Amino acid sequence: NAGVTQTPKFRVLKTGQSMTLLCAQDMNHEYMYWYRQDPGMGLRLIHYSVGEGTTAKGEVPDGYNVSRLKKQNFLLGLESAAPSQTSVYFCASSTGGPGYTFGSGTRLTVV
Amino acid sequence: KNEVEQSPQNLTAQEGEFITINCSYSVGISALHWLQQHPGGGIVSLFMLSSGKKKHGRLIATINIQEKHSSLHITASHPRDSAVYICAVNSGGSNYKLTFGKGTLLTVNP
Repeated sequence: NAGVTQTPKFRVLKTGQSMTLLCAQDMNHEYMYWYRQDPGMGLRLIHYSVGEGTTAKGEVPDGYNVSRLKKQNFLLGLESAAPSQTSVYFCASSTGGPGYTFGSGTRLTVV
Repeated sequence: KNEVEQSPQNLTAQEGEFITINCSYSVGISALHWLQQHPGGGIVSLFMLSSGKKKHGRLIATINIQEKHSSLHITASHPRDSAVYICAVNSGGSNYKLTFGKGTLLTVNP
């Protein structure tokens, strides 16, 4: 099915470990985003990309890095995980207009 | 103060009731989105509005640009409508990023 696919869906990390979350879209969208969702707060933008090879910081970028080497993929990396990064992570892609599609989320726990 | 405010935070209704969820925003926008998230689930886009009103099945979304206010209505509510409803705005610019409200948790009892 066309859409936004996130992997993995669940992950438990120990403090200090690293990991990469993968977001893949097959809709040829130019714009891709990584958001985090925490209890009692709205989704907050971590990083985004306006096209292949571009990335930019969002509202809460510290502790995360991203790459968009291919148009269809947007990777979110945690170099040294901290308990404060326990969250649900959502990837989204957009045409830059009405088409905004979200992935199903990655639930990350850092212990 | 959050740029996007939703009310109420929590809403409990009986099956069949008419539901209204409100969203107010403080910035100029190019579009407003209504999203639905079931418990433990992903986020689904319900509507994108830049003016007027849209309807899809039992759901109706309206927006008043002058008053910076939008409402999501659910007619003949059903327990399967139980979810978090999220308002998000695109305040323009070339990156089309969204600013989100905190969401409204709707519970519809049979």
